[in-house]
Amino acid sequence: QVQLQESGPGLVKPSETLSLTCTVSGGSISGYYWSWIRQPPGKGLEWIGYIYSSGSTNYNPSLKSRVTISVDTPKKQFSLKLSSVTAADTAVYYCARGPSGSGSQVDYWGQGTLVTVSS
Amino acid sequence: DIQMTQSPSSLSASVGDRVTITCRASQSISSYLNWYQQKPGKAPKFLIYAASSLQGGVPSRFSGSGSGTDFTLTISSLQPEDFATYYCQQSYSTPYTFGQGTKLEIK
Repeated sequence: QVQLQESGPGLVKPSETLSLTCTVSGGSISGYYWSWIRQPPGKGLEWIGYIYSSGSTNYNPSLKSRVTISVDTPKKQFSLKLSSVTAADTAVYYCARGPSGSGSQVDYWGQGTLVTVSS
Repeated sequence: DIQMTQSPSSLSASVGDRVTITCRASQSISSYLNWYQQKPGKAPKFLIYAASSLQGGVPSRFSGSGSGTDFTLTISSLQPEDFATYYCQQSYSTPYTFGQGTKLEIK
């Protein structure tokens, strides 16, 4: 069973860079796409972007200028950096596997980590 | 971006009821439509892919249908554990987008 676990600071100051890491266990990181998805408190889900295990990326244009997703295959980790954050970036951040399969679905999710942007 | 619109936004129902949630895409997405269930404080759980294929382990009371722009999620006989928020998501083109969610509450 694939498991994902997010880690990183829960509090980030405005204008600084949010950095999170996702560790994959119970399965291979190679040969799959891996995504970051966020959810502001009480709101819906927003896809941030994904990375393939080889390193190719695809970002949401609404965040593209501020987002970097990277992968460390030997460590079975992938990471998110979001620069110049504001209060609007306060959200639960999920790492997930996907798009995957015939429906390009997101089939495994981390538990999520709340990141608050505040001074 | 492809806009996904779910209806209703909230729904009250009783155990044993049959419920249907609708998801409409702003353009054709073929069958690239997935459904997720989210309970408070938890990550979404993947239920249905490619509009109508049930993920392994998901109870058969859940079913999905549709293609093009109009899709439905049906729960044939609500169980207590089904009260949650449901999201549709299109995976036809990036940026992948989700519906705003349908909150299913106990009547």
